Amino acid sequence: DADVTQTPRNRITKTGKRIMLECSQTKGHDRMYWYRQDPGLGLRLIYYSFDVKDINKGEISDGYSVSRQAQAKFSLSLESAIPNQTALYFCATSDWVGGTDTQYFGPGTRLTVL
Amino acid sequence: RKEVEQDPGPFNVPEGATVAFNCTYSNSASQSFFWYRQDCRKEPKLLMSVYSSGNEDGRFTAQLNRASQYISLLIRDSKLSDSATYLCVVKGSNYQLIWGAGTKLIIKP
Repeated sequence: DADVTQTPRNRITKTGKRIMLECSQTKGHDRMYWYRQDPGLGLRLIYYSFDVKDINKGEISDGYSVSRQAQAKFSLSLESAIPNQTALYFCATSDWVGGTDTQYFGPGTRLTVL
Repeated sequence: RKEVEQDPGPFNVPEGATVAFNCTYSNSASQSFFWYRQDCRKEPKLLMSVYSSGNEDGRFTAQLNRASQYISLLIRDSKLSDSATYLCVVKGSNYQLIWGAGTKLIIKP
């Protein structure tokens, strides 16, 4: 079984709808992240959490919110989806071992906002 | 100017050839450097960290030039399975990772 899972894998929605993307991990890592990837751009950090009680905004948090329900679960919400939020969304985890902070990614959620 | 810049490619390379990519970064305070690999429609995966003295992992060699603020990745004896997008990643002083847009590599038989 995959260590980092994301649901749904694909989603098409309409402008103004509320969407939740979910991420679960079995790696036992404290750190979790949400990124989006757009063609021609690098991965951009939306939110990150270093433990259950810690939530931090990333580079592009406007229009998004997150919830860290448990060490293993980190969900991303789009309160009112807009077309420019169409992107590939990745959840990732990391473990601060030796300071390397290697990122382990889920398979991604492809979101289309019409 | 982007914080991390890469030539998007694609680099079309015959199997068995050597290929090199560069990546430049703008923040001189950057602390750590990495190469990730991303296959088409898949998630990124760590290929290797980049150390100040340069490091090698099999056919892959990574180098860092702090004075000129670039890192490089060299792939020797390229295989068809090396076809992918290679992402340059830099960790800044705030510990957040900054990702390049990637360089696409296509290995041809």
